[in-house]
Amino acid sequence: DIQMTQSPSSLSASIGDRVTITCQASQDISDHLNWYQQKPGKAPKLLIYDAINLQTGVPSGFSGSGSGRDFTFTISSLQPEDIGTYYCQQYANLPLTFGPGTKVEIK
Amino acid sequence: QVQLVQSGGEVKKPGASVKVSCKASGYTFRKYGFSWVRQAPGQGLEWMGWISGYNGNTQYSQRLQGRVAITTDTSASTAFLELRSLRSDDTAVYYCARDSSGGVSGWFDPWGQGTLVTVSS
Repeated sequence: DIQMTQSPSSLSASIGDRVTITCQASQDISDHLNWYQQKPGKAPKLLIYDAINLQTGVPSGFSGSGSGRDFTFTISSLQPEDIGTYYCQQYANLPLTFGPGTKVEIK
Repeated sequence: QVQLVQSGGEVKKPGASVKVSCKASGYTFRKYGFSWVRQAPGQGLEWMGWISGYNGNTQYSQRLQGRVAITTDTSASTAFLELRSLRSDDTAVYYCARDSSGGVSGWFDPWGQGTLVTVSS
């Protein structure tokens, strides 16, 4: 199975800060990497697919980059509605696997 | 709009089975596959398996192989997850999610609202 790691596991930032989350796969997954946001008590929501593509309707302040084993997710200017947990997910191989999540809070 | 609506919460005893449904609307059911993903309390996301909306082909997580079955009723645009021989560590919110294509690989969008399954004696 492909193991996904994320860092940090949690972060606290101020409104307007730039926030960066990293995700690393245990082997090369090309660009087969997606990012989701989950708010408390809600289902996850797709934000980024294929490492860099913004899902329709998602604010442009979110972005993704990377390929191979190392990926980055960025919030350009943190807003109150961005609090939640962010997960990366690979689909290069079965079983599909998720990172452990990064909890984002407002300082 | 594309929507997935899941059945309500369940409370089951250890050793029992549970069946959760996921009704799709707003698109052609057979064009996409479904995955089921679960989340134990306070934990991360675990992919359980996938089914083709076109021909019913399935793929399962080896961790759950033998206890899980995913099926569809195309006439009702509904996918089902059955989990057998329930244990306390199966207590989780179970989500269905539409795959990005007819195949098993891709991204999940949208997701159902989730179904809490509680396993307790």
